[in-house]
Amino acid sequence: KAGVTQTPRYLIKTRGQQVTLSCSPISGHRSVSWYQQTPGQGLQFLFEYFSETQRNKGNFPGRFSGRQFSNSRSEMNVSTLELGDSALYLCASSLVPGRAYEQYFGPGTRLTVT
Amino acid sequence: SQQGEEDPQALSIQEGENATMNCSYKTSINNLQWYRQNSGRGLVHLILIRSNEREKHSGRLRVTLDTSKKSSSLLITASRAADTASYFCATDSISGNTPLVFGKGTRLSVIA
Repeated sequence: KAGVTQTPRYLIKTRGQQVTLSCSPISGHRSVSWYQQTPGQGLQFLFEYFSETQRNKGNFPGRFSGRQFSNSRSEMNVSTLELGDSALYLCASSLVPGRAYEQYFGPGTRLTVT
Repeated sequence: SQQGEEDPQALSIQEGENATMNCSYKTSINNLQWYRQNSGRGLVHLILIRSNEREKHSGRLRVTLDTSKKSSSLLITASRAADTASYFCATDSISGNTPLVFGKGTRLSVIA
């Protein structure tokens, strides 16, 4: 069974631009979560989606948005990029939402904002 | 805000030695999970321990949970160079529909 895939793997953008990251969960997994990882703040929760509905949202500004499609694939968008948005963005999938289930992580998208 | 806090932040040991990492958290939890992350890659799930369990084993891994002290430990026995990675604990609060919260991790270096 293929793992979680994220595209692109690396991205360089300039301040003010916007970016869209994509995540394809493991086949059969309907829950997708997004995290931002930086050396200073560690892993911080962005959003969680299940059946195309956002179930949870972390403490991030409105520039960060996401969505999930009917095939469970998910995208996140960051508008008006800032230098501080440089980070590793990780997507994780699980069968269903719920903390009793392990999450399967993708390799991440490394975003650099210059 | 971080729920779990790992200790130590960094640990360096020789191959064959045991490595112990600790995680403390603030609020009551349903479950606690441990994950491993190789440099700049995605996280890999290691083990999940429920709040009514005290100890769990998986291969060379041993996890303990003390809910009265709000702490957990991860022991890796007979460490190998391939165990070099960052290790994170992740907790879910017992109150409400909250997401999994990760600590900042322990960076383990196993020297061959």
